Amino acid sequence: DAKTTQPPSMDCAEGRAANLPCNHSTISGNEYVYWYRQIHSQGPQYIIHGLKNNETNEMASLIITEDRKSSTLILPHATLRDTAVYYCIVRPLLRRYFGTGTSLTVIP
Amino acid sequence: EAQVTQNPRYLITVTGKKLTVTCSQNMNHEYMSWYRQDPGLGLRQIYYSMNVEVTDKGDVPEGYKVSRKEKRNFPLILESPSPNQTSLYFCASSTGRPNTGELFFGEGSRLTVL
Repeated sequence: DAKTTQPPSMDCAEGRAANLPCNHSTISGNEYVYWYRQIHSQGPQYIIHGLKNNETNEMASLIITEDRKSSTLILPHATLRDTAVYYCIVRPLLRRYFGTGTSLTVIP
Repeated sequence: EAQVTQNPRYLITVTGKKLTVTCSQNMNHEYMSWYRQDPGLGLRQIYYSMNVEVTDKGDVPEGYKVSRKEKRNFPLILESPSPNQTSLYFCASSTGRPNTGELFFGEGSRLTVL
Protein backbone atom coordinates (compact mmCIF):
# COMPACT_ATOMS: atom_id res chain seq x y z
CA ASP A 1 0.00 0.00 0.00
CA ALA A 2 2.00 2.95 -1.31
CA LYS A 3 2.12 5.84 1.11
CA THR A 4 3.44 9.30 0.39
CA THR A 5 5.52 11.70 2.46
CA GLN A 6 5.45 15.46 1.97
CA PRO A 7 6.90 18.38 3.91
CA PRO A 8 4.20 20.00 6.05
CA SER A 9 4.78 23.53 4.80
CA MET A 10 6.71 25.62 2.27
CA ASP A 11 6.99 29.26 1.26
CA CYS A 12 7.56 30.63 -2.20
CA ALA A 13 8.03 34.18 -3.48
CA GLU A 14 5.42 35.38 -5.90
CA GLY A 15 6.56 34.95 -9.51
CA ARG A 16 9.13 32.32 -8.65
CA ALA A 17 8.81 28.61 -9.30
CA ALA A 18 7.34 26.55 -6.47
CA ASN A 19 8.81 23.05 -6.25
CA LEU A 20 6.83 20.71 -4.04
CA PRO A 21 8.48 17.36 -3.31
CA CYS A 22 6.83 14.03 -2.57
CA ASN A 23 8.33 10.74 -1.54
CA HIS A 24 6.56 7.52 -2.60
CA SER A 25 9.30 4.93 -2.23
CA THR A 26 6.92 1.94 -2.06
CA ILE A 27 5.00 2.74 -5.22
CA SER A 28 4.29 -0.21 -7.50
CA GLY A 29 5.23 -0.32 -11.16
CA ASN A 30 1.78 0.40 -12.55
CA GLU A 31 0.62 2.98 -10.00
CA TYR A 32 0.19 6.59 -10.97
CA VAL A 33 1.08 9.56 -8.79
CA TYR A 34 -1.66 12.19 -8.49
CA TRP A 35 -1.52 15.73 -7.25
CA TYR A 36 -4.43 17.72 -5.86
CA ARG A 37 -4.69 21.07 -4.18
CA GLN A 38 -7.15 22.54 -1.74
CA ILE A 39 -7.57 26.27 -1.53
CA HIS A 40 -8.77 27.30 1.92
CA SER A 41 -11.71 25.00 2.73
CA GLN A 42 -12.90 24.42 -0.81
CA GLY A 43 -13.14 20.95 -2.34
CA PRO A 44 -9.77 19.56 -3.45
CA GLN A 45 -8.99 20.11 -7.11
CA TYR A 46 -7.14 17.73 -9.39
CA ILE A 47 -3.90 19.16 -10.81
CA ILE A 48 -1.96 16.51 -12.67
CA HIS A 49 -0.91 12.86 -12.63
CA GLY A 50 1.85 10.72 -14.09
CA LEU A 51 3.34 7.25 -14.25
CA LYS A 52 7.01 7.59 -15.14
CA ASN A 53 7.39 10.29 -17.75
CA ASN A 54 7.38 13.97 -16.93
CA GLU A 55 4.01 15.58 -17.47
CA THR A 56 2.91 19.16 -18.08
CA ASN A 57 -0.46 20.81 -18.32
CA GLU A 58 -1.79 24.33 -18.05
CA MET A 59 -1.56 24.27 -14.27
CA ALA A 60 1.74 22.61 -13.46
CA SER A 61 4.54 20.24 -14.35
CA LEU A 62 5.25 16.90 -12.73
CA ILE A 63 8.74 15.48 -12.59
CA ILE A 64 9.04 11.83 -11.58
CA THR A 65 12.44 10.36 -10.80
CA GLU A 66 13.67 7.48 -12.89
CA ASP A 67 13.32 5.03 -10.00
CA ARG A 68 9.79 6.43 -9.39
CA LYS A 69 10.42 6.74 -5.68
CA SER A 70 9.80 10.46 -5.62
CA SER A 71 8.28 13.26 -7.63
CA THR A 72 8.16 17.05 -7.71
CA LEU A 73 5.24 19.24 -8.60
CA ILE A 74 6.36 22.48 -10.19
CA LEU A 75 4.26 25.62 -10.34
CA PRO A 76 6.42 27.63 -12.75
CA HIS A 77 5.36 31.15 -11.78
CA ALA A 78 3.59 31.05 -8.44
CA THR A 79 0.88 33.58 -7.77
CA LEU A 80 -0.91 34.47 -4.54
CA ARG A 81 -3.83 32.35 -5.74
CA ASP A 82 -1.58 29.29 -5.59
CA THR A 83 -1.53 29.50 -1.81
CA ALA A 84 -3.13 26.19 -0.87
CA VAL A 85 -2.56 22.73 0.55
CA TYR A 86 -1.09 20.35 -2.01
CA TYR A 87 -1.67 16.61 -1.76
CA CYS A 88 0.48 13.97 -3.42
CA ILE A 89 -1.32 10.64 -3.52
CA VAL A 90 -1.09 7.21 -5.10
CA ARG A 91 -4.27 5.37 -6.19
CA PRO A 92 -6.62 8.01 -4.75
CA LEU A 93 -9.75 5.96 -5.38
CA LEU A 94 -8.50 3.30 -2.97
CA ARG A 95 -7.07 5.74 -0.48
CA ARG A 96 -8.93 6.02 2.78
CA TYR A 97 -6.77 8.84 4.03
CA PHE A 98 -5.47 11.76 2.01
CA GLY A 99 -2.92 12.88 4.52
CA THR A 100 -2.20 16.48 5.44
CA GLY A 101 -0.23 17.48 2.34
CA THR A 102 2.07 20.49 1.99
CA SER A 103 0.74 23.90 2.90
CA LEU A 104 2.23 26.27 0.32
CA THR A 105 2.25 29.99 1.09
CA VAL A 106 3.07 32.32 -1.77
CA ILE A 107 4.59 35.51 -0.40
CA PRO A 108 4.13 38.85 -2.19
CA GLU B 1 -20.94 21.98 -16.57
CA ALA B 2 -19.47 18.89 -14.92
CA GLN B 3 -19.98 19.14 -11.20
CA VAL B 4 -20.58 17.47 -7.87
CA THR B 5 -23.29 19.20 -5.87
CA GLN B 6 -23.68 18.91 -2.12
CA ASN B 7 -26.53 20.17 0.05
CA PRO B 8 -26.73 21.75 2.47
CA ARG B 9 -23.49 23.72 2.38
CA TYR B 10 -23.89 24.77 6.00
CA LEU B 11 -25.95 23.20 8.75
CA ILE B 12 -26.23 23.62 12.48
CA THR B 13 -28.20 20.90 14.22
CA VAL B 14 -28.64 19.34 17.63
CA THR B 15 -27.54 16.00 19.00
CA GLY B 16 -29.78 13.12 17.93
CA LYS B 17 -31.69 14.88 15.16
CA LYS B 18 -31.38 12.78 12.02
CA LEU B 19 -30.02 14.53 8.99
CA THR B 20 -29.05 13.77 5.42
CA VAL B 21 -26.42 15.45 3.32
CA THR B 22 -27.14 14.97 -0.35
CA CYS B 23 -24.56 14.53 -3.09
CA SER B 24 -25.29 14.49 -6.79
CA GLN B 25 -22.98 14.27 -9.82
CA ASN B 26 -23.80 14.87 -13.47
CA MET B 27 -20.86 13.05 -15.06
CA ASN B 28 -22.26 9.51 -15.10
CA HIS B 29 -19.48 8.41 -12.76
CA GLU B 30 -19.51 4.92 -11.27
CA TYR B 31 -17.40 5.77 -8.23
CA MET B 32 -18.54 8.09 -5.43
CA SER B 33 -17.10 8.72 -2.00
CA TRP B 34 -17.58 10.71 1.19
CA TYR B 35 -14.79 12.28 3.27
CA ARG B 36 -14.62 14.31 6.42
CA GLN B 37 -11.95 16.86 7.14
CA ASP B 38 -11.00 18.00 10.62
CA PRO B 39 -8.27 20.49 11.53
CA GLY B 40 -4.84 18.90 11.31
CA LEU B 41 -6.18 15.50 10.28
CA GLY B 42 -6.43 15.68 6.51
CA LEU B 43 -9.20 14.04 4.52
CA ARG B 44 -10.52 10.76 5.89
CA GLN B 45 -12.80 8.55 3.88
CA ILE B 46 -16.16 7.65 5.41
CA TYR B 47 -17.80 5.44 2.79
CA TYR B 48 -17.38 4.82 -0.90
CA SER B 49 -19.40 3.23 -3.68
CA MET B 50 -18.05 1.54 -6.78
CA ASN B 51 -21.46 1.48 -8.47
CA VAL B 52 -25.21 1.37 -7.86
CA GLU B 53 -26.09 -0.78 -4.82
CA VAL B 54 -22.37 -1.34 -4.09
CA THR B 55 -21.04 0.48 -1.03
CA ASP B 56 -18.20 -0.14 1.40
CA LYS B 57 -16.70 1.34 4.52
CA GLY B 58 -13.83 3.74 4.46
CA ASP B 59 -11.59 4.76 7.31
CA VAL B 60 -14.18 6.31 9.64
CA PRO B 61 -17.66 4.86 8.95
CA GLU B 62 -18.98 4.80 12.52
CA GLY B 63 -22.12 6.88 12.97
CA TYR B 64 -22.80 7.22 9.25
CA LYS B 65 -24.90 5.44 6.65
CA VAL B 66 -25.00 5.75 2.89
CA SER B 67 -27.09 4.47 0.03
CA ARG B 68 -26.55 4.27 -3.72
CA LYS B 69 -29.90 3.63 -5.35
CA GLU B 70 -29.14 5.73 -8.41
CA LYS B 71 -25.87 6.31 -10.18
CA ARG B 72 -25.92 10.08 -9.76
CA ASN B 73 -26.80 10.30 -6.05
CA PHE B 74 -24.91 9.23 -2.95
CA PRO B 75 -26.50 10.66 0.22
CA LEU B 76 -24.75 10.61 3.59
CA ILE B 77 -27.06 9.89 6.50
CA LEU B 78 -26.40 10.70 10.14
CA GLU B 79 -29.07 8.79 12.04
CA SER B 80 -28.24 10.28 15.43
CA PRO B 81 -25.64 13.02 15.08
CA SER B 82 -23.24 13.70 17.93
CA PRO B 83 -20.89 16.65 18.54
CA ASN B 84 -17.87 14.61 17.38
CA GLN B 85 -19.42 14.58 13.92
CA THR B 86 -18.98 18.31 13.67
CA SER B 87 -16.78 18.55 10.61
CA LEU B 88 -16.35 19.64 7.00
CA TYR B 89 -17.70 16.98 4.64
CA PHE B 90 -16.79 16.41 1.01
CA CYS B 91 -18.38 14.23 -1.60
CA ALA B 92 -16.36 13.13 -4.64
CA SER B 93 -16.89 11.14 -7.80
CA SER B 94 -14.77 9.49 -10.48
CA THR B 95 -15.09 7.20 -13.44
CA GLY B 96 -13.62 4.45 -11.29
CA ARG B 97 -11.63 2.93 -14.13
CA PRO B 98 -8.29 1.42 -13.11
CA ASN B 99 -5.53 4.00 -12.84
CA THR B 100 -7.99 6.80 -13.37
CA GLY B 101 -7.61 8.65 -10.15
CA GLU B 102 -9.07 12.00 -11.02
CA LEU B 103 -11.59 12.69 -8.30
CA PHE B 104 -14.09 15.50 -8.71
CA PHE B 105 -14.99 17.03 -5.35
CA GLY B 106 -18.00 18.97 -4.24
CA GLU B 107 -17.65 22.31 -2.49
CA GLY B 108 -18.14 20.85 0.93
CA SER B 109 -20.79 20.82 3.66
CA ARG B 110 -19.92 22.32 7.01
CA LEU B 111 -21.84 20.58 9.75
CA THR B 112 -22.06 21.67 13.37
CA VAL B 113 -23.73 19.40 15.91
CA LEU B 114 -24.57 21.07 19.21
